[in-house]
Amino acid sequence: EIVMTQSPATLSVSPGERATLSCRASQSIGNSLAWYRQRPGQAPRLLIYSASIRATGIPARFSGGGSGADFTLTISSLQSEDFAVYYCQQYHVWPPWTFGQGTKVEIK
Amino acid sequence: QLQLQESGPGLVKPSETLSLTCTVSGGSMSSSYYYWGWIRQPPGKGLEWMGSMNYNGSAYYNPSLKSRITASVDTSKNQFSLKLSSVTAADTAVYYCARRVGCCHDYWGQGTLVTVSS
Repeated sequence: EIVMTQSPATLSVSPGERATLSCRASQSIGNSLAWYRQRPGQAPRLLIYSASIRATGIPARFSGGGSGADFTLTISSLQSEDFAVYYCQQYHVWPPWTFGQGTKVEIK
Repeated sequence: QLQLQESGPGLVKPSETLSLTCTVSGGSMSSSYYYWGWIRQPPGKGLEWMGSMNYNGSAYYNPSLKSRITASVDTSKNQFSLKLSSVTAADTAVYYCARRVGCCHDYWGQGTLVTVSS
């Protein structure tokens, strides 16, 4: 099973500022990585797949990068709805599809 | 717009079987590209993929749960179901149903909290 590790656990950012989240896989996964956002009390929503492709309806302020074992999600200018928990998920080796433990983006 | 809705008991006793159903509306389940599955989230914790199945019975399960989990799909009712046997307090979680297309889970239910307690 591929283990996904996210950092930091919590990121404090002011509205309008940039946030960069990291995700590391326990082995190389190519670009087989997705990102999700989960707002409080809601289900996760797919943001990014193939490491850098935005899902349908996702605004351009979200960008993904990386390949191999190290990946980033950047939110260029944080909006109120972006204060949430973000999860990465690998799909290079399955089952199981595995998620990171999450990064909480909170208001500074 | 595709919608998924979980249903089932909110409380299950230890050692019993947890049973949940997800009803799909606004779209068809009958494509080999779609896998219908379950992801759970213990309170305050992260996401765990449990298993998924497509309409013709091709299924994948998390090896950590494989001896306890059964998934099924009923396209005539536009529903799919989960059974998890021999539950313990560690199975207390919000259970989400979700559609997977290829890599990723693009539609999710709102989630249902299942508590395992006597």
